[in-house]
This record gives sequence, C-alpha cells and structure tokens, in this order.
Amino acid sequence: GAVVSQHPSRVICKSGTSVKIECRSLDFQATTMFWYRQFPKQSLMLMATSNEGSKATYEQGVEKDKFLINHASLTLSTLTVTSAHPEDSSFYICSARGGSVNTEAFFGQGTRLTVV
Amino acid sequence: DAKTTQPNSMESNEEEPVHLPCNHSTISGTDYIHWYRQLPSQGPEYVIHGLTSNVNNRMASLAIAEDRKSSTLILHRATLRDAAVYYCILRDEGGGATNKLIFGTGTLLAVQP
Repeated sequence: GAVVSQHPSRVICKSGTSVKIECRSLDFQATTMFWYRQFPKQSLMLMATSNEGSKATYEQGVEKDKFLINHASLTLSTLTVTSAHPEDSSFYICSARGGSVNTEAFFGQGTRLTVV
Repeated sequence: DAKTTQPNSMESNEEEPVHLPCNHSTISGTDYIHWYRQLPSQGPEYVIHGLTSNVNNRMASLAIAEDRKSSTLILHRATLRDAAVYYCILRDEGGGATNKLIFGTGTLLAVQP
C-alpha cells in the first residue's frame, strides 16, 4: 500500500511551547489529509480534515487556534500544537488519501507527544 | 455518519480462522464498509473495504450481508501478528460527502499460541 510518513515519532516538550508534527505522503498525491488524536486505551478521535490549498475543517470541540493545520502541498500537511499543556499529551496520527472516491486512506505511524 | 457496533473483544487460536462481526443497521446506499486494524503504538492499517459484494485480498475476506446491515471480516488463518484492534467503519462516498473515517471502539482480537 501507499506510504504515509509522520515526523517526529515521539517528542517531549515543555509546557507553553509549540510543537510541529509533519505528515508526508511519499508515493501519492494526498488531496485530503486527516488529523486524529488518541488517548491511552481509547479510539481515534478525528480532529480536523484538510484539503490541499484550503483551510482545515475542524471537528466540534477542537480549538482551531490551538491546533494549527497547514496543507500547502499535495504531499505535506503539518499540525502545530501551540502553547502545549500536559493535557495535550497524546498520540497524534495523520491520514492521507488521494482524490478519487472509493480509495482507501493510509495512516502515518503516529507521533507520541508528551508535554512536561 | 452511520454507526457500527462491534464486540469489545474476541479470542482466537493461532492457525484457526477468525470471524469478526460488525452491525451497521443504519447504513445508507452510499456508505462503503471499511476495515482497519491497529497494533499497539502504531497508526491504523488498511485491511479491506467493500460496498455490496464480498471482497477478498491477501490479508482477509469481507462478507457483506445481502441487506448490508451487517458484515464479517474473515481472517483465514490467524497468526500472533494479527493480534490488534479491528475497526469496522462506514464511509459515505456520495457526492459532497466529506469521506471522513470516524472510528468506533473496535474489537480487540487476542490470538493464543
């Protein structure tokens, strides 16, 4: 299957700082990318959907000013957690899919964020 | 988004077939049935998807009920590496749909040696 690469795989940051997570589709053009968050022993929760060149659409309850999403090219989307706090510590996962309907989405390996 | 219902957990023995059920009684005509699995501390992995007909690939088979209100993911010979959380998800592929994958709680499959 297609490859989606996330970087970094894990990061520790101090409370109040910002962290950027990158998501790249390595062998296909990702017209749509999705960002998820997963807390321990819970399912994935969709945070936002982004289409290349457009503003991201955030799910209800997700603060758009805190979780900045940029999808400037067909192979790269970034999620920036601004002014991170310990409660933002989580497993962040991106997903990407191509433009046509009935195509599967591919997931990155996830980023473990720990805010201390 | 239409909801799916799966058992919280299932157990299987290595080398035996596994049938993972999923109920989706409110499925609409443009919903595709997708299955993903997630190993610990990894992102989800695509397994299979279908609309109406049964589907086979190298990983698994997907059996879809005639009324589409339920489906079953079939792993023909379970291995220890198949131990994971399996998610059954409906994705609307109709015109104007957002094509989002909304994850439920999934089924935790344990495989015994």
